[in-house]
Amino acid sequence: AQSVTQPDIHITVSEGASLELRCNYSYGATPYLFWYVQSPGQGLQLLLKYFSGDTLVQGIKGFEAEFKRSQSSFNLRKPSVHWSDAAEYFCAVEDTGFQKLVFGTGTRLLVSP
Amino acid sequence: SAVISQKPSRDICQRGTSLTIQCQVDSQVTMMFWYRQQPGQSLTLIATANQGSEATYESGFVIDKFPISRPNLTFSTLTVSNMSPEDSSIYLCSVGYRGTGELFFGEGSRLTVL
Repeated sequence: AQSVTQPDIHITVSEGASLELRCNYSYGATPYLFWYVQSPGQGLQLLLKYFSGDTLVQGIKGFEAEFKRSQSSFNLRKPSVHWSDAAEYFCAVEDTGFQKLVFGTGTRLLVSP
Repeated sequence: SAVISQKPSRDICQRGTSLTIQCQVDSQVTMMFWYRQQPGQSLTLIATANQGSEATYESGFVIDKFPISRPNLTFSTLTVSNMSPEDSSIYLCSVGYRGTGELFFGEGSRLTVL
């Protein structure tokens, strides 16, 4: 069965600094990969997705992610973090063809002044 | 995209009672799912809501505890039956269009069971 690992439970970043959130997946075929963000008291918002093609994908709010098949990773990056980016970030892999998502445990991002 | 409305947004319930959560979508969707997010945890898929037939449940979830209805392509309900404090969670409705690989989520229904 597919699985997703987000090794960092919490990350604190200074405002204006760069960010990288790690995600590793276990899946036999080419995965469909997603990053979602959940702000306090809110539902999940899709930041970006990878299906195929260019391994560097751009998302909303200035986020990007790079798919590395050799490392089974799909890390999320942002060059300059804003205080409004403080939220919970979830990486997910899709059970291809069924659109069921398997989520990682999430990384809580804290932004310090 | 899809606009998803969930009701109630939050509720406090007594042990042993049942609560039904509604999910309304502003367009016809192919796929509808129900997820649970326990406090401080990630999201776990409860079931796939199938239009006009019984839902498909994931391992660890059963119909008697989480009956689901989906009478049409824009609406679904999830009932949490005979609730206990362990059922205190956020329950999220998720929808998608077959072949797109993308899911949209409602804002969730936060249940607290006393």
